[in-house]
Amino acid sequence: LAKTTQPVSMDSYEGQEVNITCSHNNIATNDYITWYQQFPSQGPRFIIQGYKTKVTNEVASLFIPADRKSSTLSLPRVSLSDTAVYYCLVGAPKGGGNKLTFGTGTQLKVEL
Amino acid sequence: DTEVTQTPKHLVMGMTNKKSLKCEQHMGHRAMYWYKQKAKKPPELMFVYSYEKLSINESVPSRFSPECPNSSLLNLHLHALQPEDSALYLCASSQVRQGAWGYTFGSGTRLTVV
Repeated sequence: LAKTTQPVSMDSYEGQEVNITCSHNNIATNDYITWYQQFPSQGPRFIIQGYKTKVTNEVASLFIPADRKSSTLSLPRVSLSDTAVYYCLVGAPKGGGNKLTFGTGTQLKVEL
Repeated sequence: DTEVTQTPKHLVMGMTNKKSLKCEQHMGHRAMYWYKQKAKKPPELMFVYSYEKLSINESVPSRFSPECPNSSLLNLHLHALQPEDSALYLCASSQVRQGAWGYTFGSGTRLTVV
C-alpha cells in the first residue's frame, strides 16, 4: 500500500496560488493519484485525479513527475472558501475493494 | 445520480440503544466502505464490501455490525456503543474495474453516544 506524506498545514492569502505537494515513494504501476477536499463535518470531496504528467480541471491542476513518486496539487487564486483539509490518496481499483489509508492531510488556511 | 446519501445526518444514542446508519448509492459502484473520523483526524477505514460481500474488516469491535443487503445499500448496525465511539461516520463507494477511479463519499452521520 502506498503511504503518502503531506505538509500538516499551509497558510495563504486570497488571490494567491497554492501548491500542496504529496510524497508517495512506493506508488505501484497501476496506482492513480487522487486529491480530496474536506470541510469540517462533511465527507471528503473529489478534486482531481491523475496518473502521470499534468491534469487540469475547472478548479485545480495536478502535476506528476515522470517517476511518479510525488505529486503537486495547484489551486489557482484561492479564496476564503478554499480553507479546508486536502488529502492525497494513491491507489487503483481492485476487485475486493480498496484498502486505502488516509494520511494526515494538509490543513489549508486562506486569509484576507 | 452521482451521490452517496447517508441517513440520518445526526444521531444521539445511549449506550444500551440499538441503531442503524444507512448509506445508498445508484452509481453502479460495486465496492462500498465505512470510515470513522474523529475530530481533526483523517478518516479511518472500518469495513469494505465488494460485490455485496465483506472483503475487509479492519479489526472493528463487534458492537459495529455492517450489512450490505444489495448493490446500492450499505448499513452499519450499532449496539452497546461507548462514548469514545462518538465520531463522524462516512460511507463511500467506488468502482472495482481497472482504470481511472475514485471514492465518492457521503456527507456523513454525526454520531454522539451518551
